[in-house]
Amino acid sequence: DGGITQSPKYLFRKEGQNVTLSCEQNLNHDAMYWYRQDPGQGLRLIYYSQIVNDFQKGDIAEGYSVSREKKESFPLTVTSAQKNPTAFYLCASSRGQTKRVLDEQFFGPGTRLTVL
Amino acid sequence: KQEVTQIPAALSVPEGENLVLNCSFTDSAIYNLQWFRQDPGKGLTSLLLIQSSQREQTSGRLNASLDKSSGRSTLYIAASQPGDSATYLCAVSVDAGGTSYGKLTFGQGTILTVHP
Repeated sequence: DGGITQSPKYLFRKEGQNVTLSCEQNLNHDAMYWYRQDPGQGLRLIYYSQIVNDFQKGDIAEGYSVSREKKESFPLTVTSAQKNPTAFYLCASSRGQTKRVLDEQFFGPGTRLTVL
Repeated sequence: KQEVTQIPAALSVPEGENLVLNCSFTDSAIYNLQWFRQDPGKGLTSLLLIQSSQREQTSGRLNASLDKSSGRSTLYIAASQPGDSATYLCAVSVDAGGTSYGKLTFGQGTILTVHP
């Protein structure tokens, strides 16, 4: 059953703590992305990775960090430096530009992070 | 900087009506445009992807058109049903010399309610 999984579904964080959100895909996609969604707003890009061991900052990378050690995994760490981390976080993947095919993005079910 | 606007912000229609959702973008140098559906508290489901060289795409009761030169796309839903109730998002990706960076810029979405 191919797809993208995110865990946990809900996450609560105390102020000053770092937390890591998991994203795994078994679609054999090269590219992976992290977005943040706030109520009533569209998605904003945090980080993206076109290939293993490489990633770039998106529009709102401050206070976040990522790693891409394996093709199927792209974890996101929300650090204590992120001033307003409460949001819905969505992970996505696509075949990637190197394949020169339709770069359709597919999304996971999301993680809702709440700062207590 | 690319900006994407969706009109209307919310739409309520009786079952059976045909309806049109609008999406406009400020920079016509796009690689593709995607329409997504999002149910409350869930991830995004890809509905249609239109390459910049295409004029329209169809899937079942959905038809999406693209006018790249004027920076507009429309999503047409025929014979609407209560199950179509959701938020509809459009997103565009940057054209990087014939490939895509894969970075999507999203609109804020249109909240659709179809009542019986």
